[in-house]
Amino acid sequence: QSALTQEASVSGTVGQKVTLSCTGLSNSNGPYAVTWYQQLPHGSPKIVMFGNALPSGIPDRFSGSRSGSTASLTISGLQPDDEADYYCSTWDYSLSAVVFGAGTKLTVL
Amino acid sequence: QVQLQQGGAGLVKPSETLSLTCAVHGGTVSESDWSWIRQPPGKGLEWIGEINQGGSTNSNPSLGSRVRISVDTAKNQFSLTLISMTAADTAVYFCARVSHGDYYYNMDVWGEGSTVIVSS
Repeated sequence: QSALTQEASVSGTVGQKVTLSCTGLSNSNGPYAVTWYQQLPHGSPKIVMFGNALPSGIPDRFSGSRSGSTASLTISGLQPDDEADYYCSTWDYSLSAVVFGAGTKLTVL
Repeated sequence: QVQLQQGGAGLVKPSETLSLTCAVHGGTVSESDWSWIRQPPGKGLEWIGEINQGGSTNSNPSLGSRVRISVDTAKNQFSLTLISMTAADTAVYFCARVSHGDYYYNMDVWGEGSTVIVSS
């Protein structure tokens, strides 16, 4: 059971901007940043954003934001290589555990 | 640059125990915190638990006391033991390095994943 809710699927065309959302952030998550992982087919997850910080090697087409109980990952100038599953994640104080959203499958048309 | 290499059994019988290892290359197991995560077929990620540099562990309440995570400094690796396996534990199991600080918790280096099937 995911405490965080994500769209099951999002699609966009090459060059378009898409936004993935992660809702359900609460007091249980406190000020903890939301981390976004990208998982290519048959691959291991990779961090593409934490909070609004861009990890080294990730193109600045990726950006992150948070407003209230929702965190968002925006991908601008969509590329075919962006097609993947994306998971949001953060710490939950009440569980003393990391929680993940169920993931969003991004399709690039 | 740290790399993680996973090892362990792929087929486990119901009620038996899963044992997986994660060897640390390019770094020292004692210098970081480490986590295990799993992914059932066609489903999302589930955090299993972690072990910190001091050897303290923390696991997902959903798995209760079935989880044991340990470090072997001599072999420069860490391990996952999961007892009383059932079909619901069938998944790809990942090991990962944890990077965390003030209000962030990241798993920034991942192993390649180990496919575990629970079947008689």
